[in-house]
Amino acid sequence: ETGVTQTPRHLVMGMTNKKSLKCEQHLGHNAMYWYKQSAKKPLELMFVYNFKEQTENNSVPSRFSPECPNSSHLFLHLHTLQPEDSALYLCASSQVEGSGYNEQFFGPGTRLTVL
Amino acid sequence: GQNIDQPTEMTATEGAIVQINCTYQTSGFNGLFWYQQHAGEAPTFLSYNVLDGLEEKGRFSSFLSRSKGYSYLLLKELQMKDSASYLCAVRDEDYKLSFGAGTTVTVRA
Repeated sequence: ETGVTQTPRHLVMGMTNKKSLKCEQHLGHNAMYWYKQSAKKPLELMFVYNFKEQTENNSVPSRFSPECPNSSHLFLHLHTLQPEDSALYLCASSQVEGSGYNEQFFGPGTRLTVL
Repeated sequence: GQNIDQPTEMTATEGAIVQINCTYQTSGFNGLFWYQQHAGEAPTFLSYNVLDGLEEKGRFSSFLSRSKGYSYLLLKELQMKDSASYLCAVRDEDYKLSFGAGTTVTVRA
């Protein structure tokens, strides 16, 4: 595997379900991110992990719970979601404070539908 | 916080040139990125500007004026495969990106 991978690619869940999204980066980066992308809206940064420490939580509801067990893996645990949480959830990684552009590399996303 | 504006949609003909403008108002600045996103796919990095001026990469060029809070992405010799959404993003000193809503470019034959 190369780059940033995400599983599952599609997920349909009821409001009472508990599910988890998984992200893995194979780029040796030290920072990982969760974004939410809704139609016609800017990408919204949800969580940032820098050197495995959570450094940002942009007022995300507690029904979204991130986990970063190591610098290559990132999870987003979901429980009691609402229909308005239906969106594309994108994971990204980057190298922070290294040489070069330090651009973020994105995974293909998980298309989440909450019924 | 960051406020980033770009047009919602643009249409152009194959072989033509299109310029996508982006204006921003930010509380910190550590570079501006352009990403391309095809429908149902991940955003992919196109260009990066941190100093004023023009950066050219093949058919794509990006310009930045920090004093004006303005950037543009120039797509030349448009091809059908360039039909996509183009995202302008500003990075702050903490390496966080703030994105515009994206400009959907449709290339017609």
